[in-house]
Amino acid sequence: ELKVEQNPLFLSMQEGKNYTIYCNYSTTSDRLYWYRQDPGKSLESLFVLLSNGAVKQEGRLMASLDTKARLSTLHITAAVHDLSATYFCAATYAFTSGTYKYIFGTGTRLKVLA
Amino acid sequence: KAGVTQTPRYLIKTRGQQVTLSCSPISGHRSVSWYQQTPGQGLQFLFEYFSETQRNKGNFPGRFSGRQFSNSRSEMNVSTLELGDSALYLCASSSRPMNTEAFFGQGTRLTVV
Repeated sequence: ELKVEQNPLFLSMQEGKNYTIYCNYSTTSDRLYWYRQDPGKSLESLFVLLSNGAVKQEGRLMASLDTKARLSTLHITAAVHDLSATYFCAATYAFTSGTYKYIFGTGTRLKVLA
Repeated sequence: KAGVTQTPRYLIKTRGQQVTLSCSPISGHRSVSWYQQTPGQGLQFLFEYFSETQRNKGNFPGRFSGRQFSNSRSEMNVSTLELGDSALYLCASSSRPMNTEAFFGQGTRLTVV
């Protein structure tokens, strides 16, 4: 079955620095999602990546997808404190019935230090 | 456009009791999925409903059940609660069975004591 691995699990970084979160998935997936979760809150959708080579950017966050390598990245540029949160990637798993479920990565807890 | 609404937000129950959680999806969305989030296991798929039918179920015991009504609202029920059922239960709403972007509710925090 599809497995999704995310690394690092924890990331402490200084404001203004750049870093990348990696998301590997084990088998073919139709699409890849990135979500943000603040403590005690729900999942906020950040990006939906649909095809190989897809790149999406929103503010200081940029996500990309390489379906051949089964790898997605979330790149943080010039981090600010407001980006502190837990970030999840999720791949879609297709049942034989033709419906889907999300398989989530373990999450990356990001802490941006002033 | 209203988002996904889950009620209640917080619950404290005793072992052996049962609990019902409710989820109202985004208007027009007919697919509702449920996920359990715990520190140890992360986010795990419970089940999905579409047009009042359970389409898929995750690897959870039969104590976990759900249903969907004609207005697409969904409920999940956990019977004979165990301490390990303490978790954040998230409901996700999508227009089609989960191959479109899903939007998550605020969750219900269940604590079993």
